[in-house]
Amino acid sequence: KQEVTQIPAALSVPEGENLVLNCSFTDSAIYNLQWFRQDPGKGLTSLLLIQSSQREQTSGRLNASLDKSSGRSTLYIAASQPGDSATYLCAVRLSGYSTLTFGKGTMLLVSP
Amino acid sequence: GAGVSQSPSNKVTEKGKDVELRCDPISGHTALYWYRQSLGQGLEFLIYFQGNSAPDKSGLPSDRFSAERTGGSVSTLTIQRTQQEDSAVYLCASSQSGSNTDTQYFGPGTRLTVL
Repeated sequence: KQEVTQIPAALSVPEGENLVLNCSFTDSAIYNLQWFRQDPGKGLTSLLLIQSSQREQTSGRLNASLDKSSGRSTLYIAASQPGDSATYLCAVRLSGYSTLTFGKGTMLLVSP
Repeated sequence: GAGVSQSPSNKVTEKGKDVELRCDPISGHTALYWYRQSLGQGLEFLIYFQGNSAPDKSGLPSDRFSAERTGGSVSTLTIQRTQQEDSAVYLCASSQSGSNTDTQYFGPGTRLTVL
């Protein structure tokens, strides 16, 4: 059974810092990995989708990397802002399945 | 529509009552998913609909849970004889075709509280 772990569970940083969120998964036979953002009381917003054949994806201040063989992904946020405060979720899709397996998330607080 | 919508946004019910949660996917999306997010837990997959195929019900936690999708669009998740452990946020998502490359778009969720 695929398990997805996210470290740290919570992170508090001052505005302007660069930070890294970590995601690990136990079954490397994934089709893709996705990073989501969840704001309190809201649904999930897709940030980046990395296919298994890719090593990284970038969108603005966000960069996600994938090392499929070691079962790891990182989400790098550059020059953090208070508006980045949210819970960040990592999810993997196993080959042959259409559903996602999620980690429990990292709750990020960026202070002004 | 512009996005996935869910109703109600909040539902408080008494133990033993039945509840129905509704999801309106993005227009034209053939794949629809239900997930549950319990306090302190990650999102758990519940059920998946793809076009006219039989749904994947492998994530439903008990036979008190069921879902249907009428006309390939709107979906209703029904929980019978609710229990306190059913309290959670129920999220619906849709994707264009359900293929492995599709992004899933999530609704805002329904927060269910069972007293």
